[in-house]
Amino acid sequence: EDQVTQSPEALRLQEGESSSLNCSYTVSGLRGLFWYRQDPGKGPEFLFTLYSAGEEKEKERLKATLTKKESFLHITAPKPEDSATYLCVKSCCTGKLIFGQGTTLQVKP
Amino acid sequence: DGGITQSPKYLFRKEGQNVTLSCEQNLNHDAMYWYRQDPGQGLRLIYYSQIVNDFQKGDIAEGYSVSREKKESFPLTVTSAQKNPTAFYLCASSLGTGGMSYEQYFGPGTRLTVT
Repeated sequence: EDQVTQSPEALRLQEGESSSLNCSYTVSGLRGLFWYRQDPGKGPEFLFTLYSAGEEKEKERLKATLTKKESFLHITAPKPEDSATYLCVKSCCTGKLIFGQGTTLQVKP
Repeated sequence: DGGITQSPKYLFRKEGQNVTLSCEQNLNHDAMYWYRQDPGQGLRLIYYSQIVNDFQKGDIAEGYSVSREKKESFPLTVTSAQKNPTAFYLCASSLGTGGMSYEQYFGPGTRLTVT
């Protein structure tokens, strides 16, 4: 069964305290791995697409990486405005997306 | 500005009434999708459409209906047959669905409350 598992479910950081969010996925049929950011009461905002192991993408304080079985979202020196739920999403088969449950990040000043 | 609009942002209905949620996109995307999001659960696919006048059921289509008469528009009707309609509904679009992996872009969502 296609699955995406994110950990931890929730993460509290102090401003400036770097950390990583983990996403593990079932390998078969991977066409792409997406990261989204979702603020409360809003739609997910697209961040990155990763297609193959070893690929990395960066945007401001965020860097996404992909291995054969996992993806990581590294947050360097986070700020309170980085607080959100981060969704890891696998694209497979005919473009169907498999969503992880998300990691809710809270960054305290 | 290109994007996806959903209306209304909040919607309240009495049990037994059908209700239609609007979704419009001006990204010139071929594919459009409807998801529902419940607390503590990932997004679940209700319906999707790859082309005008064609759509397919997703994982939880029971109690819902859609139409795709125009490329820009993909309205969702929540019927009285949907047993638990209260949820946050998200519309999305992408360039395509098959072959390459296309990222989906989401609208702001509609929160539906049925009492």
